[in-house]
Amino acid sequence: GAVVSQHPSRVICKSGTSVKIECRSLDFQATTMFWYRQFPKQSLMLMATSNEGSKATYEQGVEKDKFLINHASLTLSTLTVTSAHPEDSSFYICSASLPNDGYTFGSGTRLTVV
Amino acid sequence: GESVGLHLPTLSVQEGDNSIINCAYSNSASDYFIWYKQESGKGPQFIIDIRSNMDKRQGQRVTVLLNKTVKHLSLQIAATQPGDSAVYFCAERASSSASKIIFGSGTRLSIRP
Repeated sequence: GAVVSQHPSRVICKSGTSVKIECRSLDFQATTMFWYRQFPKQSLMLMATSNEGSKATYEQGVEKDKFLINHASLTLSTLTVTSAHPEDSSFYICSASLPNDGYTFGSGTRLTVV
Repeated sequence: GESVGLHLPTLSVQEGDNSIINCAYSNSASDYFIWYKQESGKGPQFIIDIRSNMDKRQGQRVTVLLNKTVKHLSLQIAATQPGDSAVYFCAERASSSASKIIFGSGTRLSIRP
């Protein structure tokens, strides 16, 4: 089936540094990808939608200059958390839409900012 | 509708019994609904989906019911097993022209032996 590979699974970074999370579609072309954030015991909150070759569309309240999204190819989307702070610590999950209307999700990245 | 980040309610079920997990949605234009299972520290796993032109769909041990009149979705799990313990989320797509899906608040399912 369609698989999305997300890396890293865990990352710890110092406050003020930037962290990049990658999401790759392994066996299909992902025209559209999505980035979610999930805090403990809460639901997934959509951050942005990225379409290959164009600028991402951010949800209300999500800072586009802080959460940089690049979707330069049909198999790779990246999320860079810039100038990370402890409140950015969260579980970040990517997703890709499939041709048959379905969606597939990455395994998530646990970001801890110290 | 948009998830407001509420803390997860919990449903406790005896092993072997049926589980019913409910979800209310707010957008009457939503045309596609999906149930996901999420285990701790992992991404969501697809369970079953249903389109707005249907009111019931069955899978292996799972059934999804859609009531568009009251904007309600339910997931029924037959003969609940310990491996069903997880958090369950419903998700909706706003319309056929929208690609994004929005997650509901979720329910934690715990199984009593």
